[in-house]
Amino acid sequence: GNSVTQMEGPVTLSEEAFLTINCTYTATGYPSLFWYVQYPGEGLQLLLKATKADDKGSNKGFEATYRKETTSFHLEKGSVQVSDSAVYFCALPMDSNYQLIWGAGTKLIIKP
Amino acid sequence: DAMVIQNPRYQVTQFGKPVTLSCSQTLNHNVMYWYQQKSSQAPKLLFHYYDKDFNNEADTPDNFQSRRPNTSFCFLDIRSPGLGDAAMYLCATSRDLGLGLAVQFFGPGTRLTVL
Repeated sequence: GNSVTQMEGPVTLSEEAFLTINCTYTATGYPSLFWYVQYPGEGLQLLLKATKADDKGSNKGFEATYRKETTSFHLEKGSVQVSDSAVYFCALPMDSNYQLIWGAGTKLIIKP
Repeated sequence: DAMVIQNPRYQVTQFGKPVTLSCSQTLNHNVMYWYQQKSSQAPKLLFHYYDKDFNNEADTPDNFQSRRPNTSFCFLDIRSPGLGDAAMYLCATSRDLGLGLAVQFFGPGTRLTVL
């Protein structure tokens, strides 16, 4: 079945630093891939998604490219802000398509 | 705005005292989920409703039950909360169109404390 592996945190960066959070997956076929973000004390919200190989999802300055050659969907941002401090989850659908498999989550801490 | 609403945001209960958490949605989505999340770990799916069909995860304790009286509402009942049930409970919804998008929309969560 499908699975996802996400880099462990916490990741601590200074403001304006470059961010990469690694996510790799194994899957049958080419499922959609997602990044969700959870700000402190809140529920999860969709950050970005990509529905097919070579697609780039982007939102709020974050980007991730669906790479089938390396089975990866790494999250990047060129210049992080304190307000980006949150937990980030990589996810992909189970074979059923409407249920999600979640990565372990990466806590991001941005220091001013 | 269309959204997923959870009440209450914070719930304190005593060990063994039944508690009910509620979730409502204005998105008219056909699938509703209940997750348990501890300490910023990945959310753990407890069960979900696909339309009226209830789907329980194999490792969800019998202590957890759910009801979905209509499309908009879903409840999580914890019959006898233990200390290990203290967690954030997240409700989510999605519209399954068979397209494999599986985008889920989450409520803000209910943080349960068990004394």
